[in-house]
Amino acid sequence: KNEVEQSPQNLTAQEGEFITINCSYSVGISALHWLQQHPGGGIVSLFMLSSGKKKHGRLIATINIQEKHSSLHITASHPRDSAVYICAVGGRGGSNYKLTFGKGTLLTVNP
Amino acid sequence: KAGVTQTPRYLIKTRGQQVTLSCSPISGHRSVSWYQQTPGQGLQFLFEYFSETQRNKGNFPGRFSGRQFSNSRSEMNVSTLELGDSALYLCASSWDRVYEQYFGPGTRLTVT
Repeated sequence: KNEVEQSPQNLTAQEGEFITINCSYSVGISALHWLQQHPGGGIVSLFMLSSGKKKHGRLIATINIQEKHSSLHITASHPRDSAVYICAVGGRGGSNYKLTFGKGTLLTVNP
Repeated sequence: KAGVTQTPRYLIKTRGQQVTLSCSPISGHRSVSWYQQTPGQGLQFLFEYFSETQRNKGNFPGRFSGRQFSNSRSEMNVSTLELGDSALYLCASSWDRVYEQYFGPGTRLTVT
């Protein structure tokens, strides 16, 4: 079992729909990152969070430390949101701190 | 502020050769991490450098190595290239470990 599991693997939506991508992890963490990768493009960090909720524009990220679960929400989706969204967790500090990644969720938003 | 830069952007090598990739972090960032991305394995951590010291290393063979210079620029080297080393190699810089990471555009390595 992977340390970081994302669902769904693929998601197709119509423009304007509300989208949720889920991430579950099995280890104690210092922080969780949500990343965005466009086809052929580099990776952009969307959020880093260790508790609660963060919001940037139409994007909202939440985390429940007790349940080891995080969600990324996109409100009023747009075709330009089409990308791979990747969840990554950073372990509990110390010399072993590193990011472990989920396999990613491919989001396609149709006009 | 300039972002993270990586050179070269594309590289084609043959099996058995070695390759060196370069990463220049955002000014002021002292932590540089390297990642390998392949279609099969996704993103995997290679190693992290901070103030010229390797602080952590992922589960990769010794053919993969790196270093960091006093200006925080980092290089990674892969010796005796194998076909399976074909991947996108990304570096990311940050202030320190538990901080937001800023990724470079990556170097696409193809081994033939």
